[in-house]
Amino acid sequence: QVTLRESGPALVKPTQTLTLTCTFSGFSLTTSGMCVGWIRQPPGKALEWLAVIDADDDKYYSASLKTRLTISKDTSKDEVVLTMTDMDPVDTATYYCARNPAAVAGYFDYWGQGTLVTVSS
Amino acid sequence: QSVLTQPPSVSGAPGQRVTISCTGSYSNIGAGFHVHWYQQLPGTAPKLFIYGNNNRPSGVPDRLSASQSGTSASLAITGLQDEDEADYYCQSYDSSLSWVFGGGTKLTVL
Repeated sequence: QVTLRESGPALVKPTQTLTLTCTFSGFSLTTSGMCVGWIRQPPGKALEWLAVIDADDDKYYSASLKTRLTISKDTSKDEVVLTMTDMDPVDTATYYCARNPAAVAGYFDYWGQGTLVTVSS
Repeated sequence: QSVLTQPPSVSGAPGQRVTISCTGSYSNIGAGFHVHWYQQLPGTAPKLFIYGNNNRPSGVPDRLSASQSGTSASLAITGLQDEDEADYYCQSYDSSLSWVFGGGTKLTVL
């Protein structure tokens, strides 16, 4: 049974760094072609892809946010961590982590429930 | 502004057929990358509904089907039911090494 769960602060102040952890089970991020990604959704708005890390430790970032994002994994803990620097109120969103079993260019077949992050002073 | 373009809303009566379009460019859909579709009910995470060459995960009814040609793709839902009312998102991959989503379409069952 594949599950993913996001965790992190619900509230961050402007200019602070956000750190989110995705804890997963039911699959291994050492399996060839396996990836885990982060997607966010501002309230009432569309999904926006942020970053993906694959089994080979290759990392992919949204071009518009690349300078602010860092994705990493700890395969011993089955965790993927996303950090986003210099947070702004426009970054207020529900942040999801999701599994992509189909390597680069693939789809996200299992999603976490999401965690709402509000950026406010 | 989303990379893939979807109509903001579509609607149909129960039993009818509706389609949702997803328009991209030569760097994503037009480059031959598959388009995948997600359903999102209010307050819940997106759920994969169709992936790859019109594949449906277990539990997704065969009333849903997808196609793509050129720089566009579409999702068709036949025999519309109340339970189909939701937001639908298309997703593909771009040659710039990025995953891309559409802006979402709200399906209303009249």
